[in-house]
Amino acid sequence: SQQGEEDPQALSIQEGENATMNCSYKTSINNLQWYRQNSGRGLVHLILIRSNEREKHSGRLRVTLDTSKKSSSLLITASRAADTASYFCATDVRTDKLIFGTGTRLQVFP
Amino acid sequence: EPEVTQTPSHQVTQMGQEVILRCVPISNHLYFYWYRQILGQKVEFLVSFYNNEISEKSEIFDDQFSVERPDGSNFTLKIRSTKLEDSAMYFCASSEALGDKRTQYFGPGTRLLVL
Repeated sequence: SQQGEEDPQALSIQEGENATMNCSYKTSINNLQWYRQNSGRGLVHLILIRSNEREKHSGRLRVTLDTSKKSSSLLITASRAADTASYFCATDVRTDKLIFGTGTRLQVFP
Repeated sequence: EPEVTQTPSHQVTQMGQEVILRCVPISNHLYFYWYRQILGQKVEFLVSFYNNEISEKSEIFDDQFSVERPDGSNFTLKIRSTKLEDSAMYFCASSEALGDKRTQYFGPGTRLLVL
């Protein structure tokens, strides 16, 4: 098993619906971050949640962290077609290197 | 808003050739990183760099790879003798500090194709 696995692997929804993506990891972490990647493009940082935080909001994004279950979720509310992208969780353990998950491909249909 | 920039956006090279990928991190950042993403796979850490030296490197970062901060603004990744399996998207990232300011900001990437 790998540090950082997202599910589902792919998600298709209609505009206006909410999208929830989950990330599980194996070892204790310092922080967990979520990134977005549009097809073939760079990684855009969305939100960082520290290991002592349980929930964080940023605009239409809501991230939760459950360290007892070693999992995090990213909720995008009222999704838009422009939210279509791949979403990755990334953890840092004892050092500052990020370990990325496998990603969830989100498709939002207009 | 400040951002990390990378050049070139695309690079095609012959196997065995040397390539240098360039990055300009965000100006007040002190920590620099290279990651790569082989098509369809995860983003993988290559190396981190602080205070003009490598602070951590992965198994991928073998003797064929080197990094340098030749001046106050550029951060480069050199692959000495490219292999077919080096074909990937290479991302540079930087962060202001560790601790509360450890968010890593990524550049748009350089797509490297080795023929």
